[in-house]
Amino acid sequence: AQSVAQPEDQVNVAEGNPLTVKCTYSVSGNPYLFWYVQYPNRGLQFLLKYITGDNLVKGSYGFEAEFNKSQTSFHLKKPSALVSDSALYFCAVRAIPPSGNTPLVFGKGTRLSVIA
Amino acid sequence: ETGVTQTPRHLVMGMTNKKSLKCEQHLGHNAMYWYKQSAKKPLELMFVYNFKEQTENNSVPSRFSPECPNSSHLFLHLHTLQPEDSALYLCASSQDSLGYPPYEQYFGPGTRLTVT
Repeated sequence: AQSVAQPEDQVNVAEGNPLTVKCTYSVSGNPYLFWYVQYPNRGLQFLLKYITGDNLVKGSYGFEAEFNKSQTSFHLKKPSALVSDSALYFCAVRAIPPSGNTPLVFGKGTRLSVIA
Repeated sequence: ETGVTQTPRHLVMGMTNKKSLKCEQHLGHNAMYWYKQSAKKPLELMFVYNFKEQTENNSVPSRFSPECPNSSHLFLHLHTLQPEDSALYLCASSQDSLGYPPYEQYFGPGTRLTVT
């Protein structure tokens, strides 16, 4: 069975500092990996995804994520945090066939607070 | 965020009531999803429809009944709910639920359901 772990419920960072939101995954075979963000009273918004190729993926709003197969991780990063980045961040994984038609599995989310 | 709309945004219902949640997507997608979001828990996939056919029912109790009359509309009919069903119910859509590499999902703002 596939699963996603986001080990931190809350991450606090000062505005202008780099931020990292951690994600590790478990699948049989190779993964497709996603990051979504949820602002208050809104649905989830797609940030970026890893399919194949370059391990460093760039996405919306200056975010990027690095796929590390040996550590089964897909941490979300941004070089300089903004107060407006404060939100709930979700990592998600889906297995690549021939594991079958598996649905997208989400982590429980990490709340990011950027302090001015 | 007008791509996926959900109504109502808030709903309070008693355990003996019957109500329905509505979702509409304006993105020309072929797949639609219902998720349940509870505090500090991973997003729970409930149902998936692909080209109007239900492809996933994630062991959801029968007091939740989905309906997908066409690729643009999705309903969740509710009856005899329990207090533990109180949560944010999110609708999402994507180009296709079965294709690889997987398409990202677009979410609505959710319906905040409270069962009293």
